[in-house]
Amino acid sequence: NAGVTQTPKFQVLKTGQSMTLQCAQDMNHNSMYWYRQDPGMGLRLIYYSASEGTTDKGEVPNGYNVSRLNKREFSLRLESAAPSQTSVYFCASSEQESQPQHFGDGTRLSIL
Amino acid sequence: GENVEQHPSTLSVQEGDSAVIKCTYSDSASNYFPWYKQELGKGPQLIIDIRSNVGEKKDQRIAVTLNKTAKHFSLHITETQPEDSAVYFCAASIKGNFGNEKLTFGTGTRLTIIP
Repeated sequence: NAGVTQTPKFQVLKTGQSMTLQCAQDMNHNSMYWYRQDPGMGLRLIYYSASEGTTDKGEVPNGYNVSRLNKREFSLRLESAAPSQTSVYFCASSEQESQPQHFGDGTRLSIL
Repeated sequence: GENVEQHPSTLSVQEGDSAVIKCTYSDSASNYFPWYKQELGKGPQLIIDIRSNVGEKKDQRIAVTLNKTAKHFSLHITETQPEDSAVYFCAASIKGNFGNEKLTFGTGTRLTIIP
């Protein structure tokens, strides 16, 4: 069982570059989420998609965009990367909202 | 919005002893409280969860208790083993303005089991 797959696992960018983080789930889940994890701050929600065709802002959406490409895939885009966006990014999915969320193993992103 | 505080930030216990991690939440409308375990280089993994209509839930060596009046919930791990060493996160779920449910996470507890 693959569960939630994130690509790439590691990436280094220069300030101002753009990048798309990919996420795919094979559990037929309706809801998908993007979080960032920074030391001492837990996980903070960037964007989420309650169901295919919908997206909503989370706690820290500035500087990011998302696309729910289909039921399986939910991508996160950084249009113009900034050093403050250096973080570990996690994608998660759940059958419905307020159901257990299943996480991928993260993308470690460094912006110089 | 919801605020979740988690204590302690680090915890060391002797193998075989019990560990307790506590979280408080601010919004009385929160109704779902999961706990996640995160090992180094991995994503968080759900270990147990509880809903607001239940006061306690157990799964082998792990238990969670919920006090809705005081707005706090706790994770209890008994007979700790070296493989319990990890970072643990609590979370609380609250409905947003448009009916969407979102999780707010605590800042994590690094648990170290001393052999």
